[in-house]
Amino acid sequence: AQKITQTQPGMFVQEKEAVTLDCTYDTSDPSYGLFWYKQPSSGEMIFLIYQGSYDQQNATEGRYSLNFQKARKSANLVISASQLGDSAMYFCAMREGGGIWITGGGNKLTFGTGTQLKVEL
Amino acid sequence: GAVVSQHPSRVICKSGTSVKIECRSLDFQATTMFWYRQFPKQSLMLMATSNEGSKATYEQGVEKDKFLINHASLTLSTLTVTSAHPEDSSFYICSANIRGVREKLFFGSGTQLSVL
Repeated sequence: AQKITQTQPGMFVQEKEAVTLDCTYDTSDPSYGLFWYKQPSSGEMIFLIYQGSYDQQNATEGRYSLNFQKARKSANLVISASQLGDSAMYFCAMREGGGIWITGGGNKLTFGTGTQLKVEL
Repeated sequence: GAVVSQHPSRVICKSGTSVKIECRSLDFQATTMFWYRQFPKQSLMLMATSNEGSKATYEQGVEKDKFLINHASLTLSTLTVTSAHPEDSSFYICSANIRGVREKLFFGSGTQLSVL
């Protein structure tokens, strides 16, 4: 079964509008982490935001916020005030396991299939 | 901030040759690095976990003898694609995390391998 599901292969948004990119996940581990990365055409992976399974508050980083609904197992990324430079591929990813990360071996990520976002004028 | 340097960014080689890709953590020690592979317009697939001073852990379906991983120091991991074939053409990207910093996983800029 898919551990990370991104159902939107492509999304369009107008400049300055907000957009939500969907991500659902599946895990039986009570301790996990959820990540969002941006991959522009150059190929580099740019870290955007992180949400831990025990975090009480939804994560925010500037224009990025994560709508974390634990019971529904969803971790949607919200980008506010879209800019042309936001056009890129966006990946949701999950790390399972809690304490392992301390030893450095725990950040093994499973990625979703990605959503191609295009910001239009 | 922490940086992971990956080299080369692009390589074209003949079928049957071997290609080495380097991944360096520039200002932190990375006891663990990860190697991913990405086909065009697809997701990243984890190939192996590279552990400093020990053997790499390969994911199911990844040929150990084909994709040799060496993590000789706390700042360097290498992936060697041996006897490359056209089907090995792909985007390879490494990542590393700082011990104890759970939310940060730093990626290299990737290597586009084209095997003719």
